[in-house]
Amino acid sequence: GESVGLHLPTLSVQEGDNSIINCAYSNSASDYFIWYKQESGKGPQFIIDIRSNMDKRQGQRVTVLLNKTVKHLSLQIAATQPGDSAVYFCAENTGTASKLTFGTGTRLQVTL
Amino acid sequence: GAGVSQTPSNKVTEKGKYVELRCDPISGHTALYWYRQSLGQGPEFLIYFQGTGAADDSGLPNDRFFAVRPEGSVSTLKIQRTERGDSAVYLCASSLNPGSWEAFFGQGTRLTVV
Repeated sequence: GESVGLHLPTLSVQEGDNSIINCAYSNSASDYFIWYKQESGKGPQFIIDIRSNMDKRQGQRVTVLLNKTVKHLSLQIAATQPGDSAVYFCAENTGTASKLTFGTGTRLQVTL
Repeated sequence: GAGVSQTPSNKVTEKGKYVELRCDPISGHTALYWYRQSLGQGPEFLIYFQGTGAADDSGLPNDRFFAVRPEGSVSTLKIQRTERGDSAVYLCASSLNPGSWEAFFGQGTRLTVV
């Protein structure tokens, strides 16, 4: 079946640097994409979302970019902080308002 | 409560036993979702409720799994004749309505079948 995946399983960045987490998706019918952050022992936490009719959306210190031509999604975190250390998942909605398909996640490690 | 609450936090059960996992969504949220997360994987959709009805149960792996939400608030995920492969973290999420994708997740119930 079609699924969402990630290029890098682990990303290590220095505190203060910018982080870029990538995600590839395969379902061209997906119209909604979301990034979640999950800390150890906790449930996923919504970060930011983007609709398929957009190519960029900005939040507080985060930016999501969507390239539908190559089916690629990225999450940019500016001035990465130790508190950003977590696993990040991209997820897609395949058209129904009922369920998300998650990728396997990227672990972000912030070094001092 | 302020967030989605799941009980118990941890559950260890013997193979073949029956278990119930509870989810208390955020007050007023009409949409409720159950997901299952295996170690190192992303959450996997199980079932979605809109109000009291299961609008989409296509993610339930087999008929040993069942979920209810009788009053449109609290939901219970029920697993019969548990198997070791059922071991995972079961996550519940709720959102204000199906069109809102800012779903709020609980901390999950870690189920271990021994």
